[in-house]
Amino acid sequence: KAGVTQTPRYLIKTRGQQVTLSCSPISGHRSVSWYQQTPGQGLQFLFEYFSETQRNKGNFPGRFSGRQFSNSRSEMNVSTLELGDSALYLCASSYEGGGEAFFGQGTRLTVV
Amino acid sequence: QKEVEQNSGPLSVPEGAIASLNCTYSDRGSQSFFWYRQYSGKSPELIMFIYSNGDKEDGRFTAQLNKASQYVSLLIRDSQPSDSATYLCAVNESGNTGKLIFGQGTTLQVKP
Repeated sequence: KAGVTQTPRYLIKTRGQQVTLSCSPISGHRSVSWYQQTPGQGLQFLFEYFSETQRNKGNFPGRFSGRQFSNSRSEMNVSTLELGDSALYLCASSYEGGGEAFFGQGTRLTVV
Repeated sequence: QKEVEQNSGPLSVPEGAIASLNCTYSDRGSQSFFWYRQYSGKSPELIMFIYSNGDKEDGRFTAQLNKASQYVSLLIRDSQPSDSATYLCAVNESGNTGKLIFGQGTTLQVKP
């Protein structure tokens, strides 16, 4: 059974640009959550999507957005990138949310 | 603000010893509790989950939950150098299915 797939693995962007990250969950999983991991803040919840609807949202500015498609694949977008957005972005999939969640390999974003 | 607290360590144990990692949480309504292992430069890997008070054993790992004390622990028996990693405690936020709140993680070092 394939795991959670995130693309791309690495990204380097310039301040002010925007970026889109992709996450394909485990087959059959309908919940996809996104997290930002930095050395100082640890793992912080961004948002969760379930059946194409945003079900939960963390305390991040509106520059961070996401969506989920009918096949449960999810994308997150960050607009007007800032240096502080440099982080490892992780997505986690679970069957319905609330149970065991499995992480992808992450996308390491560097903003210069 | 709902929080999960862990001792950052490092926790150093000799090979073959028992490593004990602890976690406290503030959200009394939380129902699901998870331990993730994260190697440097990698994404978190789910190693244990527990939903009921008491102990749950899986191989060399035992998770313990005490909801009255809002306390979760992870015991690793016969610790191996390959267990050296950061261990993240995660708790499902009550009322927000799919949202995990993470502790800052405990770094475990197993010395040969």
